[in-house]
Amino acid sequence: DGGITQSPKYLFRKEGQNVTLSCEQNLNHDAMYWYRQDPGQGLRLIYYSQIVNDFQKGDIAEGYSVSREKKESFPLTVTSAQKNPTAFYLCASSVDRGREQYFGPGTRLTVT
Amino acid sequence: KNQVEQSPQSLIILEGKNCTLQCNYTVSPFSNLRWYKQDTGRGPVSLTIMTFSENTKSNGRYTATLDADTKQSSLHITASQLSDSASYICVVSANTGFQKLVFGTGTRLLVSP
Repeated sequence: DGGITQSPKYLFRKEGQNVTLSCEQNLNHDAMYWYRQDPGQGLRLIYYSQIVNDFQKGDIAEGYSVSREKKESFPLTVTSAQKNPTAFYLCASSVDRGREQYFGPGTRLTVT
Repeated sequence: KNQVEQSPQSLIILEGKNCTLQCNYTVSPFSNLRWYKQDTGRGPVSLTIMTFSENTKSNGRYTATLDADTKQSSLHITASQLSDSASYICVVSANTGFQKLVFGTGTRLLVSP
């Protein structure tokens, strides 16, 4: 069963704590992405990776960090430096940059 | 500034009726335009993708049109079903080397029985 998985579906954290969101794909895609979705706004790109061991900042990278040690995995860490971390986070992947992106089911993060 | 605007923001229709959602964009240079369906609390799923040379594309009861001259697109849903209740997002890709995606804020559709 191919696809993109994100875990957990819901995540709750206290302010000041770092938290890591998981994203795994078995589609053999080279490129992976992290987006943030807030009510009334379009998806915004946080980070993307075109190949293993390489990643680039998106439009709103401040307060976030990523790693790409394996082709299948692209975890996102929301650090305490992120001022408004509560949001719906979506991971996506594509065969390579420019190709159609396939989205995971998302993780809703709530920080109080 | 690259922007994608969608209208209406929300829409309620009766089951079985048709509806049309609008998308205007100012993304340049244009690469392609995609429509996604996003159920509440889920990731977006692609419905159609159109390049500059395509002006219509269908996927079952969904038909997308593209007018690259006026930079407008529409998504027409025929014979709506309760399962069509979702947000529909217009996404335009800018051909800037990386193929940056510019997302609209979506139209929230509710199909009522």
